[in-house]
Amino acid sequence: SQTIHQWPATLVQPVGSPLSLECTVEGTSNPNLYWYRQAAGRGLQLLFYSVGIGQISSEVPQNLSASRPQDRQFILSSKKLLLSDSGFYLCAWSSPGLAGGRHTGELFFGEGSRLTVL
Amino acid sequence: GEDVEQSLFLSVREGDSSVINCTYTDSSSTYLYWYKQEPGAGLQLLTYIFSNMDMKQDQRLTVLLNKKDKHLSLRIADTQTGDSAIYFCAETLMDSSYKLIFGSGTRLLVRP
Repeated sequence: SQTIHQWPATLVQPVGSPLSLECTVEGTSNPNLYWYRQAAGRGLQLLFYSVGIGQISSEVPQNLSASRPQDRQFILSSKKLLLSDSGFYLCAWSSPGLAGGRHTGELFFGEGSRLTVL
Repeated sequence: GEDVEQSLFLSVREGDSSVINCTYTDSSSTYLYWYKQEPGAGLQLLTYIFSNMDMKQDQRLTVLLNKKDKHLSLRIADTQTGDSAIYFCAETLMDSSYKLIFGSGTRLLVRP
């Protein structure tokens, strides 16, 4: 069966410090990978998605970046955190291929990483 | 454009039915989903419906889709305190294919 893990679960960082959140998926190959952010009292905002190693699509301009060094590893980074980067970050995966085509497109989420920037 | 809207809050009494509503704007949506988020956790898929269907039932859950009005609803029968959570509606688009667009979530509170 497939599993997804992300860490750390909680993080408190000062403004201007770097960030690295890591996500790994087990039990599947060539998944689509996603980073979402959930700000307090708000919905989910798609930050990045990746359909393969080294392929990153950015949805929202910001001081965050994403990398996919291995097939099942997705990393969210920042060189200098801002107060507005605080939130709940969720990694997710879906089966490869087109949603609505060969599969139903649903996402499977990790447990989330809560980031507080002070 | 892509936009999914939900009401923010719903309170029901235990044992009653809950109905959570969602509207979406993109008529090319292929699948529509309902996800549940418990406090401090990730999202779990509850159910989904293909855009050529108008109803799907799964135990206590009934999904209704009105494609003409771009309206999706989730009905939970015999709501229990364990159903208290945030419920997200989401759509996937035939053109972009890789993305799910989520609503802002409806917080359901079940009163004993």
